[in-house]
Amino acid sequence: AQKVTQTQTSISVMEKTTVTMDCVYETRDSSYFLFWYKQTASGEIVFLIRQDSYKKENATEGHYSLNFQKPKSSIGLIITATQIEDSAVYFCAMREYQGGRALIFGTGTTVSVSP
Amino acid sequence: EAGVTQSPRYAVLQEGQAVSFWCDPISGHDTLYWYQQPRDQGPQLLVYFRDEAVIDNSQLPSDRFSAVRPKGTNSTLKIQSAKQGDTATYLCASSSGTEVFFGKGTRLTVV
Repeated sequence: AQKVTQTQTSISVMEKTTVTMDCVYETRDSSYFLFWYKQTASGEIVFLIRQDSYKKENATEGHYSLNFQKPKSSIGLIITATQIEDSAVYFCAMREYQGGRALIFGTGTTVSVSP
Repeated sequence: EAGVTQSPRYAVLQEGQAVSFWCDPISGHDTLYWYQQPRDQGPQLLVYFRDEAVIDNSQLPSDRFSAVRPKGTNSTLKIQSAKQGDTATYLCASSSGTEVFFGKGTRLTVV
């Protein structure tokens, strides 16, 4: 069965610094996709970045990057040069490749960025 | 390109009342999902469709919840007799491949 775990409930950082969030997952499939989404204060869920399990290189997208450690079933999100507007809830999610299954989400990490 | 559209944005019901949520996915997306997000939790899958077919409804409380997508485009999620425990945000999402895009959700409060 699939499972996604985010153990950090909340993180507070100062503006312009780097924040790192952890996520571990469980799956029996050899091929899967890992995602990070951001949920803003208005409730909107926005896609940030994706890692395909067969790719060894860590994905990057703007000031978001991933730390993919496949042997540890871990996919961390790194946000560099944080801005006030990065304050949000960040969700890790996984989707198994076989049969195009649905996204399974973690419980989220709340990030607060202070000036 | 228009995103996933949901209506209404908010609903307040008394226990026992019925409510329907409507979703218009991104044009051309064959897969449509309904998620329930209780306060301070991650989204939890209720049901999803590929075209008009239900692929997985195992998490849908079948005695009170129902979902349809008759023409493989728009979808409706209905709660027949709402309970306080149904208080949550209901999210619709769509996909045509790997990435999934979400609507803004319907925030339901059952009093």
